[in-house]
Amino acid sequence: EDQVTQSPEALRLQEGESSSLNCSYTVSGLRGLFWYRQDPGKGPEFLFTLYSAGEEKEKERLKATLTKKESFLHITAPKPEDSATYLCALGGSQGNLIFGKGTKLSVKP
Amino acid sequence: DAEITQSPRHKITETGRQVTLACHQTWNHNNMFWYRQDLGHGLRLIHYSYGVQDTNKGEVSDGYSVSRSNTEDLPLTLESAASSQTSVYFCASGDTGSPLHFGNGTRLTVT
Repeated sequence: EDQVTQSPEALRLQEGESSSLNCSYTVSGLRGLFWYRQDPGKGPEFLFTLYSAGEEKEKERLKATLTKKESFLHITAPKPEDSATYLCALGGSQGNLIFGKGTKLSVKP
Repeated sequence: DAEITQSPRHKITETGRQVTLACHQTWNHNNMFWYRQDLGHGLRLIHYSYGVQDTNKGEVSDGYSVSRSNTEDLPLTLESAASSQTSVYFCASGDTGSPLHFGNGTRLTVT
């Protein structure tokens, strides 16, 4: 069974304090590893897709990396506006997404 | 710009009533999905559709149904609402192999 586990559940950072979010997964055949951002009262917003081990993608202060068992979302010098819940998901065999429970990030000024 | 619109944004209903949540997308995607999001569970798949007249059950489909009469719309019906169906519901659409686009959700409370 395809599964996604995210850690930590919550993370509090000071502005400028870099850190990483973890997404561990088990899958029979990888159909993409997706990262989304979700703000309160909104739907998930797409950030990145990774397809093979060693792949990296960047967007502003965020960088996503992928190994055969894990993906990391690295946040460099975060700002308060980076506060959100970050969701990791596997591409499912039905064209759907299989989500982890998310990491709630709070960045204090 | 293309988008997914869900309505209503908030709904309160009583146990046993039938409720329909609307989802309309202008992306022209064939694939559409309904998820529910609950604390401690994350997003779970309820139903999905690959095109007109096609519907499929997801992980948590009991008590829900969908119908697809055109490309743009996938309404979700709760046949007889139960308190366990209090949740936030998200509709999504996408092309096969591409990221899904989500609406902003409907918060449903069953009293």
